[in-house]
Amino acid sequence: QKEVEQNSGPLSVPEGAIASLNCTYSDRGSQSFFWYRQYSGKSPELIMSIYSNGDKEDGRFTAQLNKASQYVSLLIRDSQPSDSATYLCAVNRKYGGGTSYGKLTFGQGTILTVHP
Amino acid sequence: NAGVMQNPRHLVRRRGQEARLRCSPMKGHSHVYWYRQLPEEGLKFMVYLQKENIIDESGMPKERFSAEFPKEGPSILRIQQVVRGDSAAYFCASSKTGVHSGANVLTFGAGSRLTVL
Repeated sequence: QKEVEQNSGPLSVPEGAIASLNCTYSDRGSQSFFWYRQYSGKSPELIMSIYSNGDKEDGRFTAQLNKASQYVSLLIRDSQPSDSATYLCAVNRKYGGGTSYGKLTFGQGTILTVHP
Repeated sequence: NAGVMQNPRHLVRRRGQEARLRCSPMKGHSHVYWYRQLPEEGLKFMVYLQKENIIDESGMPKERFSAEFPKEGPSILRIQQVVRGDSAAYFCASSKTGVHSGANVLTFGAGSRLTVL
């Protein structure tokens, strides 16, 4: 079992629709959760972070976290062609000394295509 | 305010040669991370460094790979005797402090794409 698994893509949605991206993780010690967007040939760009159970909204993006189910999702409302990219789920935990540094575990990514 | 600077952006090496990838963190950042992205895969953590110290190298292959972040100058990821399987994108990221949360999250560079012939 992979430590972080994302729903297999590619995912294709029409412009204006809601895109739903899912991620499960195996490490119950995971404490913080991130969604990165990566355009082809470019660097990952952080779009959402979530640390506690529930929903977190930022513009057209909503992250949802359920630690009991070890599940985190990203909803993109009113999808635009410019949202077409690979979305990477990443998780973090506390390491030695009780600190949580930038050692993230990433999923394999889900390719999203928004077609006009 | 320049972001995380990586060079070279593209590097071609023949099997057995050495590859050196450089990373200058964002101004004011003293924590550097290296990640590797193999084709069609997510990013994999390799190493975490602070100035003159390796904090966590649990993701580094046991042989041929080394990293440093000297007191002066950029961080260097060095791959000796490259093999075809080393072909990947290598991303550097930096942060201001060692605690990853809130406003202090990773900023990634544009990556260095290594091709081994």
